[in-house]
Amino acid sequence: GENVEQHPSTLSVQEGDSAVIKCTYSDSASNYFPWYKQELGKGPQLIIDIRSNVGEKKDQRIAVTLNKTAKHFSLHITETQPEDSAVYFCAASAFSGGYNKLIFGAGTRLAVHP
Amino acid sequence: NAGVTQTPKFRVLKTGQSMTLLCAQDMNHEYMYWYRQDPGMGLRLIHYSVGEGTTAKGEVPDGYNVSRLKKQNFLLGLESAAPSQTSVYFCASSHDRKANQPQHFGDGTRLSIL
Repeated sequence: GENVEQHPSTLSVQEGDSAVIKCTYSDSASNYFPWYKQELGKGPQLIIDIRSNVGEKKDQRIAVTLNKTAKHFSLHITETQPEDSAVYFCAASAFSGGYNKLIFGAGTRLAVHP
Repeated sequence: NAGVTQTPKFRVLKTGQSMTLLCAQDMNHEYMYWYRQDPGMGLRLIHYSVGEGTTAKGEVPDGYNVSRLKKQNFLLGLESAAPSQTSVYFCASSHDRKANQPQHFGDGTRLSIL
């Protein structure tokens, strides 16, 4: 079945450094790729998304890239800050059965050290 | 604007007990979803609804039932709780009149089955 692999599972960086999280998806019909940030005790919050007709998207310190040929997409966080510490989830979506079927990666726990 | 609200936030049950988890959204979204989150496994879809009065099975529906009597509410029921259902449950909603709409999550219900 469809799956999304996410790496690394944990990532530790110094404040000010960059962080990169990579995901690979299997369903070639996937055409929407959201990224969620989950803080302790909270639900996932959408931070950025990208659609299949776009190769890169930026929002301040956050950027996402998509390579549909290789079925890879990545999250890049520059100038990391302690408040970026959280669990990040990638997801791949295909419109199937009348709804957006979202398949999530297993998550990356990011720790930003002052 | 509260977004997606889940109640209760925490609950401890004994094996065999029943309970209902409540989800309410105030964004007039058509689509609603129930996920469970287990360590190292990301989020998995239990059931979803594409509109008032409709429900459908997701990836892991066994042991759960749902109802969508009102557009703004989506209920998740456990008829006879089992220890394997210990998890964090998240409700989400989205506009899905067309593809590629983001899902918005609540803050979860942490359920322990003893």
